[in-house]
Amino acid sequence: NAGVMQNPRHLVRRRGQEARLRCSPMKGHSHVYWYRQLPEEGLKFMVYLQKENIIDESGMPKERFSAEFPKEGPSILRIQQVVRGDSAAYFCASSSLTSGSREQFFGPGTRLTVL
Amino acid sequence: ELKVEQNPLFLSMQEGKNYTIYCNYSTTSDRLYWYRQDPGKSLESLFVLLSNGAVKQEGRLMASLDTKARLSTLHITAAVHDLSATYFCAVGETSGSRLTFGEGTQLTVNP
Repeated sequence: NAGVMQNPRHLVRRRGQEARLRCSPMKGHSHVYWYRQLPEEGLKFMVYLQKENIIDESGMPKERFSAEFPKEGPSILRIQQVVRGDSAAYFCASSSLTSGSREQFFGPGTRLTVL
Repeated sequence: ELKVEQNPLFLSMQEGKNYTIYCNYSTTSDRLYWYRQDPGKSLESLFVLLSNGAVKQEGRLMASLDTKARLSTLHITAAVHDLSATYFCAVGETSGSRLTFGEGTQLTVNP
């Protein structure tokens, strides 16, 4: 059973470009979460999605950032007009609707570098 | 707003020694998780703690939860070099699904 998959694993963008990060949850999981980790820091919650719905986006910056989880295909975190401060590791996690523990399983992350 | 504090943030210990990492949180929660992260890697789930008084052990690591004190501990017994990593606690909000992470404890076990 494949785990949470993210791609690309590494992404380099110049200031002003767009970054698209993809996340495929574990099989059978319908909840997806995005977290950001700055160097030497813990993870910070960004957004929580279910299929076709954004449930909680309170951790996501209001400008330039958006997320979706379409009916078909992976969840996508999109960052428009990237700036150097966006350089970080972005982790996706997924959980099961039926899991009593609501445990989140993490993907390998996408490391974004903005030049 | 839920706040999670870990201490110590940095821990250097010798092989064979015991030590405890502490995780305090500020509001009521019904679930707490411990994760391990190696440099440049993702998070590996270590323990899921769901009730007051829960204690779980895996190898040289043991985690406990006191929901009344809003405190979890991760105890390391007879440390070995392979345990060197950063350890995070994460607390789930009762009313939602997001996790709030502590700052992490960077553990170095020296021979």
